[in-house]
Amino acid sequence: EIVLTQSPGTLSLSPGERATLSCRASQSVSSNYLAWYQQKPGQAPRLLIYGASNRATGIPDRFSGSGSGTDFTLTISRLEPEDFAVYYCQQYGSSPRTFGQGTKVEIK
Amino acid sequence: QVQLVQSGAEVKKPGASVKVSCKASGYTFTGYFMHWVRQAPGQGLEWMGWINPNSGVTNYAQKFQGRVTMTRDTSISTAYMELSRLRSDDTAVYYCAREANNLILVVPFDYWGLGTLVTVSS
Repeated sequence: EIVLTQSPGTLSLSPGERATLSCRASQSVSSNYLAWYQQKPGQAPRLLIYGASNRATGIPDRFSGSGSGTDFTLTISRLEPEDFAVYYCQQYGSSPRTFGQGTKVEIK
Repeated sequence: QVQLVQSGAEVKKPGASVKVSCKASGYTFTGYFMHWVRQAPGQGLEWMGWINPNSGVTNYAQKFQGRVTMTRDTSISTAYMELSRLRSDDTAVYYCAREANNLILVVPFDYWGLGTLVTVSS
């Protein structure tokens, strides 16, 4: 099973700042099948990025994903008020599918 | 528009079973895998397994093997997840989520249901 470790656990930033979230895998993610999701309280997760760097339909271009192998990054170039949420990475290249423990982006 | 509509909240006693439904609309039900993910209160996301609605083939997380059964009824575009021998730590919101999965491209979990809260309590 691939274990995904996200860092930091919490990121305290102000609107307009840049957010950089990390996801490290315990072994290489097959075909870079790494996704990022955003979840707000009381809501289902929303797909942001798949295939490490492909934005999902309707996702603003301030969200970008990068990385390969075992190290992946989600970057939010300029935080908007609606971006404060919890973010999860997920690998879907092998079974079982696994999620990271999440990074909370909170208002400073 | 794509929608995944889940059944309502459930309260169950330890040892009982629960069956959650997920009715799909707005797309070809048999063209996408359906996954189930759960989230305990205040916790992260936990993948439970998937079903291929076209073939009925399933793949379960080892943690749930022997307790979970995923089925589908293609005539009504509905997927089901049944979890048996419930324990208090099964209390969680259970989500269905579709995935595009073919030989060329995999797009994971692009649409989710709103979730079904299952509470296990004596």
